[in-house]
Amino acid sequence: GDSVTQMEGPVTLSEEAFLTINCTYTATGYPSLFWYVQYPGEGLQLLLKATKADDKGSNKGFEATYRKETTSFHLEKGSVQVSDSAVYFCALSDQGTASKLTFGTGTRLQVTL
Amino acid sequence: EAQVTQNPRYLITVTGKKLTVTCSQNMNHEYMSWYRQDPGLGLRQIYYSMNVEVTDKGDVPEGYKVSRKEKRNFPLILESPSPNQTSLYFCASSLSGTSGRGAYFGPGTRLTVT
Repeated sequence: GDSVTQMEGPVTLSEEAFLTINCTYTATGYPSLFWYVQYPGEGLQLLLKATKADDKGSNKGFEATYRKETTSFHLEKGSVQVSDSAVYFCALSDQGTASKLTFGTGTRLQVTL
Repeated sequence: EAQVTQNPRYLITVTGKKLTVTCSQNMNHEYMSWYRQDPGLGLRQIYYSMNVEVTDKGDVPEGYKVSRKEKRNFPLILESPSPNQTSLYFCASSLSGTSGRGAYFGPGTRLTVT
């Protein structure tokens, strides 16, 4: 079945540091890929998405590129802020069923001054 | 404002006492789903619905029931809650499935079963 593997956290960075959160996936078809963010005490918000190979999703300074050859969708940001502290989830949706999102276990990011 | 609402946000109950968590969306979405979030496991799908009167099991449906009598509402029912159902629950909705779109999520319901 489909699965998503994320790097374990927590990830602790100083403000303005470069961020990478690794995400790889296994899927039988051609999935859509997503990054969700969960701020403390809140629900999940869609951060960015990509629906086909080589697509780059971007939002709020975050980027991720759909790499079919390496089955990866790594999240990057050039300069993190304290307000980026949250839990980040990588997820996929299989194109065939479209009935669920399969999530990774989440990576907690803590940004300090 | 487009949103998914859940009630209650927090609930503490005892083993065996039936409870319902409500979910409502105001976006006329066809697809709705319930997930549970547990540490180290991410989010796992409990049930989903592709339209009114159409529901199906997700990955972890045991101990849960759902119904979809109206397009906007998708309640989650625990007939006889047990401590292993202590978790954070999220309702989600999407226009017509998750492929290419993802989903909108509610704020979550933290359930504790003692």
